[in-house]
Amino acid sequence: NAGVMQNPRHLVRRRGQEARLRCSPMKGHSHVYWYRQLPEEGLKFMVYLQKENIIDESGMPKERFSAEFPKEGPSILRIQQVVRGDSAAYFCASSPLFWTASLNTEAFFGQGTRLTVV
Amino acid sequence: AQTVTQSQPEMSVQEAETVTLSCTYDTSESNYYLFWYKQPPSRQMILVIRQEAYKQQNATENRFSVNFQKAAKSFSLKISDSQLGDTAMYFCALGNNDMRFGAGTRLTVKP
Repeated sequence: NAGVMQNPRHLVRRRGQEARLRCSPMKGHSHVYWYRQLPEEGLKFMVYLQKENIIDESGMPKERFSAEFPKEGPSILRIQQVVRGDSAAYFCASSPLFWTASLNTEAFFGQGTRLTVV
Repeated sequence: AQTVTQSQPEMSVQEAETVTLSCTYDTSESNYYLFWYKQPPSRQMILVIRQEAYKQQNATENRFSVNFQKAAKSFSLKISDSQLGDTAMYFCALGNNDMRFGAGTRLTVKP
């Protein structure tokens, strides 16, 4: 059972381009979480999705950022017209159901995508 | 809203000694989980220890243990016999219907 897969691992974009980050959750997991980690800082929650639904996007910037988790395929975090301040590591985590519904539930993290805007 | 606070941005400890990382949280839920994650330089997130809020007994995993004070909403991590490989960022997290993280504590174990 492969872990959470994020690709690409490294992504370089010029200012104004679009960045698309992909996250394939663990098999059987229907919940996906995206986090952003700025250099030398902690994890900041961005968005929580279930299949075809956005549950909580309170951490998403209002403009240029969007996320989806279609019925088939990976979850996508899309950043339009990237700026230097978007440079960060973006982590995806997945879980099978609500955290408290299973004694052994935990979030499994991908390796992250490091986005560099030049 | 759920919040997690780690008030120690950086800490250091001598190899073989004990160090405690602090974490406080706030939630209106009665049933939740608390976690400590480790992020080494490889940036991979690794679960260190987990505590169910309904359990009074503090969780222990080898050299890692927690001091869970539910009334005070405090969840500190104690690392005994610190090793050089423990050098990493440590994140406290609160999980209920979603998961929220603290800002992290950068721990350096010195030889």
